[in-house]
Amino acid sequence: SYELTQPPSVSVSPGQTASITCSGDNLGEKFASWYQQKPGQSPVLVIHQDNKRPSGILERFSGSNAGNTATLTISGTQAMDEADYYCQTWDTGTAVFGTGTRVTVL
Amino acid sequence: EVQLVESGGGLVRPGGSLRLSCAASGFTFSNYAMSWVRQAPGKGLEWVSGISSSTGSTNYADSVKGRVTIFRDDAKNTVDLQMNNLRAEDTAVYYCAKGVAGAVGAIHDAFDIWGQGTMVTVSS
Repeated sequence: SYELTQPPSVSVSPGQTASITCSGDNLGEKFASWYQQKPGQSPVLVIHQDNKRPSGILERFSGSNAGNTATLTISGTQAMDEADYYCQTWDTGTAVFGTGTRVTVL
Repeated sequence: EVQLVESGGGLVRPGGSLRLSCAASGFTFSNYAMSWVRQAPGKGLEWVSGISSSTGSTNYADSVKGRVTIFRDDAKNTVDLQMNNLRAEDTAVYYCAKGVAGAVGAIHDAFDIWGQGTMVTVSS
């Protein structure tokens, strides 16, 4: 079955840039989406179709996808961005989520 | 307001059954695929099942195939998940999620609206 691998944790200083990777076989040939989940809350879609931001998502969230790796970039990271982040794609009609990355703003 | 509200969770014994329901409002329900996604305590997200709009085509994760059935009622704007032969590893918060596409598994599909979740606990 298809797998998406993310680093367990990423630490970033306030105002700096956080990059979260998501690795999967030929992931660049598929579309990647990204979700933010804060403790005790439901996930929120922040990026879809590799680099599109839904309405209401701040411009500091951006995405890219090429080769075997999709990347979510948070520019000018703020304390409110501290959360778990999951990538997601589709493989043979089933949705696959990444292992998740906890972003800590130090 | 666009909203998904799940119900039906609870405590069930191993081997038992449970039916979850999700009520949608604020958008044209019949136009979109709907899915169920679960999250075991302290763990990541796992897609369970999805159902397409119009065709009603269904897809299931291997971990639940044969034990779970997804239904939709476009007249009532609801999507249900019937779960049978439940196991301890099915214990999780179950989220209802709206797709951005009409077909489950469309390459550009994503989950843009999520419910608050309903807890399912399988234990003796």
